[in-house]
Amino acid sequence: NAGVTQTPKFQVLKTGQSMTLQCAQDMNHEYMSWYRQDPGMGLRLIHYSVGAGITDQGEVPNGYNVSRSTTEDFPLRLLSAAPSQTSVYFCASSSWGSATNEKLFFGSGTQLSVL
Amino acid sequence: DAKTTQPNSMESNEEEPVHLPCNHSTISGTDYIHWYRQLPSQGPEYVIHGLTSNVNNRMASLAIAEDRKSSTLILHRATLRDAAVYYCILRGYSGAGSYQLTFGKGTKLSVIP
Repeated sequence: NAGVTQTPKFQVLKTGQSMTLQCAQDMNHEYMSWYRQDPGMGLRLIHYSVGAGITDQGEVPNGYNVSRSTTEDFPLRLLSAAPSQTSVYFCASSSWGSATNEKLFFGSGTQLSVL
Repeated sequence: DAKTTQPNSMESNEEEPVHLPCNHSTISGTDYIHWYRQLPSQGPEYVIHGLTSNVNNRMASLAIAEDRKSSTLILHRATLRDAAVYYCILRGYSGAGSYQLTFGKGTKLSVIP
């Protein structure tokens, strides 16, 4: 199984540009989420989704948009990139509905630099 | 949201047991305790989770205090590959059927050969 696949692995943007970070999972997981990790810090939740057509904001949603049209894909859109969005971005997914079985599977991350 | 408190860093000698503590004094009755670890330059990976009883798996053991206000992740024999940042997280509902996992800064474990 591929698990959680994130593309691209690295990206450099200029301030004001927009782009989409892709995330796909092949485990039929209902729950998907996006985190960012700044140097020396823990992960902060940006947005999450508990199923197709359902999204919600996390701790740091400003400047980011998400949509969930299929179970497999959960893209993260940067509307107008800012240097403060320079970070490593992780996508994660898990099964949903039974807390005893839930565990997050993470992608390998996207290193984003905004100049 | 319920928070967790962990030491910033710990050291262990290789092949010795490691006890990583976590305090979560505001835990609610339905919060599960999750542990994840993050190796350098990788995404976090699941280690173990539990609700009330102690749990064991091939990676580690989780000891949960009787009042559930603290827990300890136990690595039975630390190896160099266990050097990572370990996150203790409470998994709770945020309402409307949703849930969040909030990661703190975790404990950076160094393993000495």
